[in-house]
Parts: sequence; C-alpha cells; structure tokens
Amino acid sequence: GAVVSQHPSWVICKSGTSVKIECRSLDFQATTMFWYRQFPKQSLMLMATSNEGSKATYEQGVEKDKFLINHASLTLSTLTVTSAHPEDSSFYICSAWAYSGRAGTDTQYFGPGTRLTVL
Amino acid sequence: GEDVEQSLFLSVREGDSSVINCTYTDSSSTYLYWYKQEPGAGLQLLTYIFSNMDMKQDQRLTVLLNKKDKHLSLRIADTQTGDSAIYFCAGGDMRFGAGTRLTVKP
Repeated sequence: GAVVSQHPSWVICKSGTSVKIECRSLDFQATTMFWYRQFPKQSLMLMATSNEGSKATYEQGVEKDKFLINHASLTLSTLTVTSAHPEDSSFYICSAWAYSGRAGTDTQYFGPGTRLTVL
Repeated sequence: GEDVEQSLFLSVREGDSSVINCTYTDSSSTYLYWYKQEPGAGLQLLTYIFSNMDMKQDQRLTVLLNKKDKHLSLRIADTQTGDSAIYFCAGGDMRFGAGTRLTVKP
C-alpha cells in the first residue's frame, strides 16, 4: 500500500546548525504535503502546507525563514530547520494524501516522524 | 483558523462502546477527520466524514456530525484493548484537536 517515508528518523545536532528532513511518498504522487510538529504528550501542530512547484503556505506563528520547505517533485518535500536551537527540538511529522479519484475514498498517510534534538 | 476541542481522557471496559467527542469552530470545513495514534506508532487516518453528511459507519466505527452544534463524535462499538490509543479529530484545514487518550480496561 501507499507509504510515506521520512529521513532521518532521528537527528541530534549542535545549536546553530541546519538540519534537513526529507518526506517521500513511495508509490503515489503527492501534490500537497503537510508538515507538523508534535511535542511530548501533545497534539500535532500544523506548521505548513507544502505545494509541489510553488511556495509553501505557513501557519500563523511559524517562521518561514526558520523552517524552509521545498517541494521540488511530486514525491519529495523537504523541511530544513535553519540555525536550529534547543527550542526547535521536537518530533516532526509529514503527511500526504493519496487521491483515488472517487469521492470519499482518498486516504491520508503519515510519515513515521523525525525526532530532532538540538544540543 | 479552526479551534478544535476534545476531552483529554476516556476510560471504558472491554466490550463496551466508546464515544469520543469533539467540537469545532469553523463551519466551512468540507471534511472532518478522526485519527488514531497508538503508543510508539505513527498516526493513522481512521475515517472522515463529508460535511453534508450527519452519519458515517465503517465496521465498528460510527461518526456522527451535528453541524448546527458543530459537534463531531466517534463511536467505537465493542471496544477492544487494541483500541487503546490517542484519538484526534481535525477540521478541513488539517488542524488537530488536543487528542483524547482512550484506555480500555480488560
């Protein structure tokens, strides 16, 4: 079945460095992908909607210069956390919809998440 | 944006029905969603309902939508221990509620 993968699954970096997280749809094309972050024992917070071939749409309060999103192909979106700081430590999750062409049967798939720890 | 609210905890006995409730503010959502997150596992889309429907049934799951009151519920019939998880509702703009932790006691 359709799968969304993320790489890396976990990363530890020093404060001030940048980290890139990849999100891939493995056997379907995803014109739109969503990026979330989840704090321990909390809900998902939508960060941005990634659109293939165009600029991402960021949620209020999310710094677009801090969290760079590139959706260069129909199967790949990347999130780069620039100049990461300890407060950026979180669990980042991407998702994508697989459209079947029949209303009500589309399915959303989530990546397994990337745990970022900034020292 | 949409505010989505859920109660945080629900505990039921195995075999009973579980009802998880959600309220939302944005009435323009075309679809409303329910997700499941099991411990140590990724998120899973459980089901979703089109906003012009008031009920959708999928095996043990029943979704009820009251548009007038902006209230969404998920009923799990014959709840099993494997249903223990966190359940999130979300509106059409992909914003999630805080999640309801369902605990099923044997």
